[in-house]
Amino acid sequence: NAGVTQTPKFQVLKTGQSMTLQCAQDMNHEYMSWYRQDPGMGLRLIHYSVGAGITDQGEVPNGYNVSRSTTEDFPLRLLSAAPSQTSVYFCASSRRRENTEAFFGQGTRLTVV
Amino acid sequence: GESVGLHLPTLSVQEGDNSIINCAYSNSASDYFIWYKQESGKGPQFIIDIRSNMDKRQGQRVTVLLNKTVKHLSLQIAATQPGDSAVYFCAENRASGTYKYIFGTGTRLKVLA
Repeated sequence: NAGVTQTPKFQVLKTGQSMTLQCAQDMNHEYMSWYRQDPGMGLRLIHYSVGAGITDQGEVPNGYNVSRSTTEDFPLRLLSAAPSQTSVYFCASSRRRENTEAFFGQGTRLTVV
Repeated sequence: GESVGLHLPTLSVQEGDNSIINCAYSNSASDYFIWYKQESGKGPQFIIDIRSNMDKRQGQRVTVLLNKTVKHLSLQIAATQPGDSAVYFCAENRASGTYKYIFGTGTRLKVLA
């Protein structure tokens, strides 16, 4: 089982550039989400989706866009990268029911210079 | 490389001893809690969960205790092994029926040989 796959693993961007972080899961999970992880701050929820065509904002959504056209994929877009978006990004998925664990990808380390 | 920063509280434990990692949560309405383990360069991995109507739950070598009176969660690891070295996060679901998990900042566990 591949589980949750994130690409790329590492990325360096210049300020103002745009890019898309890819996330795909093969577990037929309805719920998917994006977190960022910064030193000393744990994981913070950026955006999440409860199913194809449905997305919502998390704690820190500014500067990021998402879409969910299929159950499997949940890309995260940075429209104009800023140094404050330097972080490690994790995608997670889980089944659509209450109180269930999330499965995480391996992460994307993004540096904005 | 390290995916979590340098300012995490650290617990150092001798190999073979028991470890206790603590977590305070903020919302008395949270109804589900999870402990995750994160090894260097990897995404968080589910360890054990507990619902708010329980005080204790046991897994393989791990026990989670929930004290709702003081909003405290702990993870006990029996006979700590070198492979247990990682950062441990607690997460709470603050709103029943949603997918908004809030993560703590994490505790680094170091197992001493």
